[in-house]
Amino acid sequence: EVLLVQSGAEVKKPGESLKISCQASGYSFHSYWIGWVRQLPGKGPEVMGIIYPGDSDIRYNPSFEGRVTISADISISTAYLQWSSLRASDTAMYYCGRHHSLIPGDGLEMWGQGTMVLVSS
Amino acid sequence: EIQMTQSPTSLSASVGDRVSITCQASQDISDYLNWYRQKVGKAPELLIYEASKLESGVPSRFGGSGSGTEFILTISSLQPEDAATYYCQQYDNLPYNFGQGTKLEIK
Repeated sequence: EVLLVQSGAEVKKPGESLKISCQASGYSFHSYWIGWVRQLPGKGPEVMGIIYPGDSDIRYNPSFEGRVTISADISISTAYLQWSSLRASDTAMYYCGRHHSLIPGDGLEMWGQGTMVLVSS
Repeated sequence: EIQMTQSPTSLSASVGDRVSITCQASQDISDYLNWYRQKVGKAPELLIYEASKLESGVPSRFGGSGSGTEFILTISSLQPEDAATYYCQQYDNLPYNFGQGTKLEIK
């Protein structure tokens, strides 16, 4: 069974750093694109960026480049999303998802359960 | 940046009805289009990819059509579990923008 399990909810203060994770199982982790998606409260999804773990090809949405870092550790089949300095506006639900094919951006066919990040002073 | 515009933004229909949602891209995206359903409090679910291909496990009442700039998601016979928000998403170019969503209510 293909599964993506994300790390738990986080409560942080502005300016703090954070790294959330997405552990994959049930398939060859290095062979599929993984995407990170932000969903602000009451809003639609936004793709932040995608990574191909096989060769660490990373593509960022320009709106997020420089604000977050996407990475992956093939040895433990885990993808990461990290911030060096959080803002209140980063408060959102964050999902990871596995893409359908080798085409970057192709449908996200499997999703993690989501990680809620609350940034508040 | 490619903008995706859905219509209507909301609709209400009865069980058994045929429902269509339209998605317009601001430029030609060929068939690089996905459709998702998102129920309240859940992650989105992929329904359609490449504009018209049904994702494995998705009921056959869902169908997608279109290419270029105009796309349609059709639900042939609405079921109670289809109450959700529906999103289109292009993946021709980064950023892979979603439409603003269509909220579907069951009467």
